[in-house]
Amino acid sequence: DAGITQSPRYKITETGRQVTLMCHQTWSHSYMFWYRQDLGHGLRLIYYSAAADITDKGEVPDGYVVSRSKTENFPLTLESATRSQTSVYFCASTLGRGQGPREQYFGPGTRLTVT
Amino acid sequence: AQKVTQAQTEISVVEKEDVTLDCVYETRDTTYYLFWYKQPPSGELVFLIRRNSFDEQNEISGRYSWNFQKSTSSFNFTITASQVVDSAVYFCALRGIIQGAQKLVFGQGTRLTINP
Repeated sequence: DAGITQSPRYKITETGRQVTLMCHQTWSHSYMFWYRQDLGHGLRLIYYSAAADITDKGEVPDGYVVSRSKTENFPLTLESATRSQTSVYFCASTLGRGQGPREQYFGPGTRLTVT
Repeated sequence: AQKVTQAQTEISVVEKEDVTLDCVYETRDTTYYLFWYKQPPSGELVFLIRRNSFDEQNEISGRYSWNFQKSTSSFNFTITASQVVDSAVYFCALRGIIQGAQKLVFGQGTRLTINP
């Protein structure tokens, strides 16, 4: 049972480059989320998705793009990376509406450095 | 707006001491859910507990216990007889029923260090 995986685990990129972080879950969870974790800010929600082809903004969406063509995948793209996007990115998933509120399960994280 | 406050940024205790991590939340929802997550030095986020707003029973799981008090909007976490392996950052989080949205609001975390 692979659960929820993220790739790459570590990434160094240059300012202005496009970067895509991948997230894959094997539980068929309806909801998926992207967070970033920064010192002093805890975890902040970037985008979330309630189902395939349904996405919505979170607290800090600027500079990011998401898509969800398949239930199991939820890639996060930085269209033109900036140094302020240096962070640890976590993907999470949970069951959907009508299935009771559930905890979110997190992937292992991707540490992104923008130089 | 929903908010979670973990006023203790860092706590350091000696092994076998009891330690309580504080969590205070704000919400206008009448139904909401509270969570605790652990982030060990390896970096992953591990779910510890979920508590519903309509269930104020405290919970105990081994050395861990949680005290939920709606009157003070608090959901504190106590580790009894702490061990070095308990060293981690602990996050409290709040989820309200907002048009079906399952967004969590996290506190800033408490870094707990257990010294041998």
